[in-house]
Amino acid sequence: EPEVTQTPSHQVTQMGQEVILRCVPISNHLYFYWYRQILGQKVEFLVSFYNNEISEKSEIFDDQFSVERPDGSNFTLKIRSTKLEDSAMYFCASSLSEGGPQFFGPGTRLTVL
Amino acid sequence: AQSVTQPDIHITVSEGASLELRCNYSYGATPYLFWYVQSPGQGLQLLLKYFSGDTLVQGIKGFEAEFKRSQSSFNLRKPSVHWSDAAEYFCAVGANLPSRNTNAGKSTFGDGTTLTVKP
Repeated sequence: EPEVTQTPSHQVTQMGQEVILRCVPISNHLYFYWYRQILGQKVEFLVSFYNNEISEKSEIFDDQFSVERPDGSNFTLKIRSTKLEDSAMYFCASSLSEGGPQFFGPGTRLTVL
Repeated sequence: AQSVTQPDIHITVSEGASLELRCNYSYGATPYLFWYVQSPGQGLQLLLKYFSGDTLVQGIKGFEAEFKRSQSSFNLRKPSVHWSDAAEYFCAVGANLPSRNTNAGKSTFGDGTTLTVKP
């Protein structure tokens, strides 16, 4: 069964540095999402993306965050200047249709020191 | 807006005993429903999902869940728990009505239930 992949599995960075988290969605999917899970808390929606533009974003997704689909296969989340509170597990998901079921990747653990 | 409630924050069962984890959802129509398991420091693994049809859904690792529309519930069950089942379990709801006005695309997760298995 096709699956969503994410790289790296663990990223350690210094506060103020830029990070890019990468995701390869399922190949025929059209809708892409990022979620975040701070340690010990529940999974929170960050942003959805379709047709090369953001469909919806949460209040967490401020100007420090951006998303991009640079080619036909990758979907990236960039954090321009990381803060300590950005430390979390970041999950990518994709779906075939806007209301369709989402399939999640294994996550990238981001640690900001 | 859709929402998910997992009433039990922490459940402890003995190995070999049966398990039921509760999940209640709020959504205006028939949603997509999911159960995920997460081991400490790991990602989300999909256990099972409900889209439509048979309300009793079989998943991996011997888990099953039953969609009960009248109770807005999607409880997860396993007849005999193994020590390796100890983990965090998340119920999630996803809308199945494509509509930009209702922002139907995103999934909403419950707070999770931590399962401890006693030897």
